[in-house]
Amino acid sequence: ETGVTQSPTHLIKTRGQQVTLRCSSQSGHNTVSWYQQALGQGPQFIFQYYREEENGRGNFPPRFSGLQFPNYSSELNVNALELDDSALYLCASSLLPLPQETQYFGPGTRLLVL
Amino acid sequence: KNEVEQSPQNLTAQEGEFITINCSYSVGISALHWLQQHPGGGIVSLFMLSSGKKKHGRLIATINIQEKHSSLHITASHPRDSAVYICAVRWNYGQNFVFGPGTRLSVLP
Repeated sequence: ETGVTQSPTHLIKTRGQQVTLRCSSQSGHNTVSWYQQALGQGPQFIFQYYREEENGRGNFPPRFSGLQFPNYSSELNVNALELDDSALYLCASSLLPLPQETQYFGPGTRLLVL
Repeated sequence: KNEVEQSPQNLTAQEGEFITINCSYSVGISALHWLQQHPGGGIVSLFMLSSGKKKHGRLIATINIQEKHSSLHITASHPRDSAVYICAVRWNYGQNFVFGPGTRLSVLP
């Protein structure tokens, strides 16, 4: 059983560019959640995907978008990057989108926007 | 405003000490999770609680639903316990996690 993996591990972009981050969920998990963690702060919920459909969204603008594929891997896309988008982006997978389900976190992608 | 607070913000302990980290929240929740985040970012889920108490090795987590408060205890602390400990809740009417700011623990040998 493989854990949650994310790619790339680090990324540097400039303001205005677009970025795609990838997440492979743990085997058998059909729910993926994405979080943004700014330096020194707790993670903030971006959105969740369940069976390829968005299943909830946090307070993030539309330039943050996502996809979930039939194999339940997922992408986070951010358009028109801003300096404040610099953060650690975490994805977490779970078996079901239920409150009591344990979420398994990936190692994160550290994004720096210059 | 729905909030999750943690105390202390930072904690330094000597190896072997008993450690308590606290989490309080403002409204009813369906679940509370304690997470451990090591330098570099990786997060590990330690406990999920909806009532009572759970124990795993040297870690004990308790929750008091009426008081809207949870504690994470570490017995016989060790330098490898050094990490940021994060409390995350799911509100009764919400789907997503709301995370506390974290408690940075350093255990000195």
